[in-house]
Amino acid sequence: DAGVTQSPTHLIKTRGQHVTLRCSPISGHKSVSWYQQVLGQGPQFIFQYYEKEERGRGNFPDRFSARQFPNYSSELNVNALLLGDSALYLCASSFTGTGVRDTDTQYFGPGTRLTVL
Amino acid sequence: AQSVTQLGSHVSVSEGALVLLRCNYSSSVPPYLFWYVQYPNQGLQLLLKYTSAATLVKGINDFEAEFKKSETSFHLTKPSAHMSDAAEYFCAVRGTRRSNYQLIWGAGTKLIIKP
Repeated sequence: DAGVTQSPTHLIKTRGQHVTLRCSPISGHKSVSWYQQVLGQGPQFIFQYYEKEERGRGNFPDRFSARQFPNYSSELNVNALLLGDSALYLCASSFTGTGVRDTDTQYFGPGTRLTVL
Repeated sequence: AQSVTQLGSHVSVSEGALVLLRCNYSSSVPPYLFWYVQYPNQGLQLLLKYTSAATLVKGINDFEAEFKKSETSFHLTKPSAHMSDAAEYFCAVRGTRRSNYQLIWGAGTKLIIKP
């Protein structure tokens, strides 16, 4: 079975540009979460979506936005890129995202490495 | 608010030696705790999780962790280190309230295995 997939794997942008990152969850999973991982730090929660609705939002500026599509895939958009946005962006999927049952374990994709110059 | 502290950004052990990675948490509610491993250039893989059942939790690859409420700790151990265990390990906590469904992560501990 395919795991969580993310595209692209690497991306280089310049300050002020816009970027769109994509994530496809494991088949049957309805929840997608996005995390930012800066080099040398743990991941920071950005968004969680379940059944196309935003269920949680971390402490990130409005330049960050996301959406979930009817097929449960998701996009993360970042506008007006800053140097500090350079990071590994991780997507995780889970079945429901509403509890801590075995079905709610988060499975992570390999990430998209974004470099802002 | 929940938080996680991992003691030691780098831990070095010899192959075959005991692995001990430390994690302390802060939580205003009974915590749900996780250990994830991240190999170079890969995503995060769940090792084990504590969900208020048994305090000693067994995970994959012979890792285990013990929840100690009195010490607010959830340390990760493995009896005998293998070279393949070299990776970065993250401890995370999640609140039980539905609105707090998010993983709050420690800064990570890089495990180095000496031959």
